Amino acid sequence: GESVGLHLPTLSVQEGDNSIINCAYSNSASDYFIWYKQESGKGPQFIIDIRSNMDKRQGQRVTVLLNKTVKHLSLQIAATQPGDSAVYFCAENSGNGGATNKLIFGTGTLLAVQP
Amino acid sequence: DGGITQSPKYLFRKEGQNVTLSCEQNLNHDAMYWYRQDPGQGLRLIYYSQIVNDFQKGDIAEGYSVSREKKESFPLTVTSAQKNPTAFYLCASSINYGKNIQYFGAGTRLSVL
Repeated sequence: GESVGLHLPTLSVQEGDNSIINCAYSNSASDYFIWYKQESGKGPQFIIDIRSNMDKRQGQRVTVLLNKTVKHLSLQIAATQPGDSAVYFCAENSGNGGATNKLIFGTGTLLAVQP
Repeated sequence: DGGITQSPKYLFRKEGQNVTLSCEQNLNHDAMYWYRQDPGQGLRLIYYSQIVNDFQKGDIAEGYSVSREKKESFPLTVTSAQKNPTAFYLCASSINYGKNIQYFGAGTRLSVL
């Protein structure tokens, strides 16, 4: 079945360093991916998305890389700040319409930024 | 939270009681969703609605009901048939039911008394 998983449940980084959060997906038919940030007690906040016709997409301080060969997605955060501390999770969509056209969410990685 | 308002923020349910969680969006989005979030698990889809007056069961619809009488509103009722309702409930919307960004509300935390 479909699944989205994360390699590391917790990632601790020093303020100012770059962070890399990884996500493995199992469904090779997935062609749309989203990264979300969730702070404690709040709803998920959209960070960046990417479609399978791209390998890389950049936003403000964030970059998403997609490796379809090994079914791997990563989120890179440059110059990590204390405000980046949160749970990050990826979601995939492999649907072709109807009930299959939905996001499948991973369990998340906790990013802890040390001052 | 992206124009999606969930209320209340905290809700307590007594044994045998039905409770309704509110979700309102002013983004003019056609599609709306309800998810349940439990510790250590990914978000699980309860119900979704592609358009007004239409809704479909998600992966864990048992013990829940919804309505979509207005485009901007998608309330979720947690019925007494849901035996383990304690969770964080999240409402989301997207411009349409396709491969698009889903924007989330701030969530409602439901606990059982």
